[in-house]
Amino acid sequence: DVKVTQSSRYLVKRTGEKVFLECVQDMDHENMFWYRQDPGLGLRLIYFSYDVKMKEKGDIPEGYSVSREKKERFSLILESASTNQTSMYLCASRPRGKAFQPQHFGDGTRLSIL
Amino acid sequence: QKEVEQDPGPLSVPEGAIVSLNCTYSNSAFQYFMWYRQYSRKGPELLMYTYSSGNKEDGRFTAQVDKSSKYISLFIRDSQPSDSATYLCAMSGSYTGGFKTIFGAGTRLFVKA
Repeated sequence: DVKVTQSSRYLVKRTGEKVFLECVQDMDHENMFWYRQDPGLGLRLIYFSYDVKMKEKGDIPEGYSVSREKKERFSLILESASTNQTSMYLCASRPRGKAFQPQHFGDGTRLSIL
Repeated sequence: QKEVEQDPGPLSVPEGAIVSLNCTYSNSAFQYFMWYRQYSRKGPELLMYTYSSGNKEDGRFTAQVDKSSKYISLFIRDSQPSDSATYLCAMSGSYTGGFKTIFGAGTRLFVKA
């Protein structure tokens, strides 16, 4: 089974802080994703990465950056946290290839910005 | 118009009922269709995925895709309290460089014992 592990289940930070969310997958997947999930809005893609050191903006990248130094690890960075970034953050991974395979998710990090 | 529309519910049914969850979509480029189940305070868990129009069955769950109507459904037979969760539909289509996946907002389901 695919295992996607997010380092923190709950996190409380203050406005203006730099926040790091970490995600590790154990299936050697090339593609990794960061989403945020808000009531009524569903999952919105922030950034994704299709290989080490490669990244692409998703639908809502403003205020976020990412880092992928190793294949198994994908980090989301909130450069200067704001209260409107309070949300559930979900990491996912999927193998790259011509044949489609669905994404597998971690259990999420519930982030509160005070 | 959103690319994927899903009724947020909540949907409340008695134990043993047949549950029907639905999504509509607008982009005919979607080729792959998925259902995820998300329990409270957990991440989405892949339940089923299918490529073509028609039905796919897995135990008490049946996924149905009607590409001509741009409509997908998930049926749960003999629903159990343990089925209480939020169900997300998702669909993917290929584009230059890979696949793009869009998720519905989710339907909250409560199965009462």
